[in-house]
Amino acid sequence: NAGVTQTPKFQVLKTGQSMTLQCAQDMNHEYMSWYRQDPGMGLRLIHYSVGAGITDQGEVPNGYNVSRSTTEDFPLRLLSAAPSQTSVYFCASRALAGSGVQGEQYFGPGTRLTVT
Amino acid sequence: SQKIEQNSEALNIQEGKTATLTCNYTNYSPAYLQWYRQDPGRGPVFLLLIRENEKEKRKERLKVTFDTTLKQSLFHITASQPADSATYLCALLTGGGNKLTFGTGTQLKVEL
Repeated sequence: NAGVTQTPKFQVLKTGQSMTLQCAQDMNHEYMSWYRQDPGMGLRLIHYSVGAGITDQGEVPNGYNVSRSTTEDFPLRLLSAAPSQTSVYFCASRALAGSGVQGEQYFGPGTRLTVT
Repeated sequence: SQKIEQNSEALNIQEGKTATLTCNYTNYSPAYLQWYRQDPGRGPVFLLLIRENEKEKRKERLKVTFDTTLKQSLFHITASQPADSATYLCALLTGGGNKLTFGTGTQLKVEL
């Protein structure tokens, strides 16, 4: 199992550009989510999904879009990049509560995004 | 407002000693609490989960306690080693089970 994979690992964007951060998991997890991590702020939830076709907002959703067309993939789209979106982005997945699994969340290696 | 607080100051201890990290929360009623380890440049890795009706959980050299009255969890690493040096994050399951909310983490440094 590859677990949770993210691409790209690094990205530099100019203000106003758009891009998609890719995330895939091969563990058949229903739940997937995106976080951003900034110094002193910890991990903050951007968007999450409890299954294909179902997404919802987290703590800091503005400026980001997501979709979930398959169980495996959960891309994060930056519509018009701003310097405030400079951060490290982590994708994560887990089995849903009640499935008998302990609920541990698996994280990808992260994407380091700089917006100039 | 809802808060999850971990000591932002780094914790430095000597090899072989027990490290104790604290996670305090306010205005949450979590079903369970988790602890993660994060190394520089990497994503967090799950360590332990403890449910609201459990007082203590152990895994090898790790021990977690959960006091829902005090709204506090303690994370202990016994016989600490330099390889235990990392940032440790606590997280609460909130939002009806759909959101895992993290504290800012505490950096642990184990010195020889």
